[in-house]
Amino acid sequence: QKEVEQNSGPLSVPEGAIASLNCTYSDRGSQSFFWYRQYSGKSPELIMSIYSNGDKEDGRFTAQLNKASQYVSLLIRDSQPSDSATYLCAVKLPHFGNEKLTFGTGTRLTIIP
Amino acid sequence: EAGVTQFPSHSVIEKGQTVTLRCDPISGHDNLYWYRRVMGKEIKFLLHFVKESKQDESGMPNNRFLAERTGGTYSTLKVQPAELEDSGVYFCASSRLAGGHTDTQYFGPGTRLTVL
Repeated sequence: QKEVEQNSGPLSVPEGAIASLNCTYSDRGSQSFFWYRQYSGKSPELIMSIYSNGDKEDGRFTAQLNKASQYVSLLIRDSQPSDSATYLCAVKLPHFGNEKLTFGTGTRLTIIP
Repeated sequence: EAGVTQFPSHSVIEKGQTVTLRCDPISGHDNLYWYRRVMGKEIKFLLHFVKESKQDESGMPNNRFLAERTGGTYSTLKVQPAELEDSGVYFCASSRLAGGHTDTQYFGPGTRLTVL
């Protein structure tokens, strides 16, 4: 079982609709969760972080965390063509000195105009 | 504020040769990380520096890989001798704080290494 699993896609969503990206993780001790966006050939860019159960909203983005189900998701409202990218889910364990991020393979999202 | 920079952006070498990748973190960031993405796979952690010290090198694949961060500023990752399976994109990231929720890792654009 992979430590962090994502559906690789591609996921196609019409412009203006809600894009829903999902991620599951295997280590129940994981405490920090991140969504990175990566355009082709560019750096992964952090767009959301979440640490507590529930929802966290930032503009058109909402991250949802359910630790009991070991599940984290990212919702993108009013999807725009510029949202087309690969979205990477990453988790981190809480131990001081262990700062490494564990990534999923990423979900490729395409917004259809 | 300048972001994380990496050099070169691309490198094509033959099996058995040596390659050195360089990363310049964001100014003032004590933490520097190396990650690698092999084609079709997820980004995987290689190692973590705090200033010039190796905090965690659990992800280094074997002793053909040598990372240094002399003076706690830029870092180099040397692969010697390179093998075919070393091909991939090598990312560098840096962060200001460690050991807390607020530690955001900022990534560079990566170096695409191709070993023929």
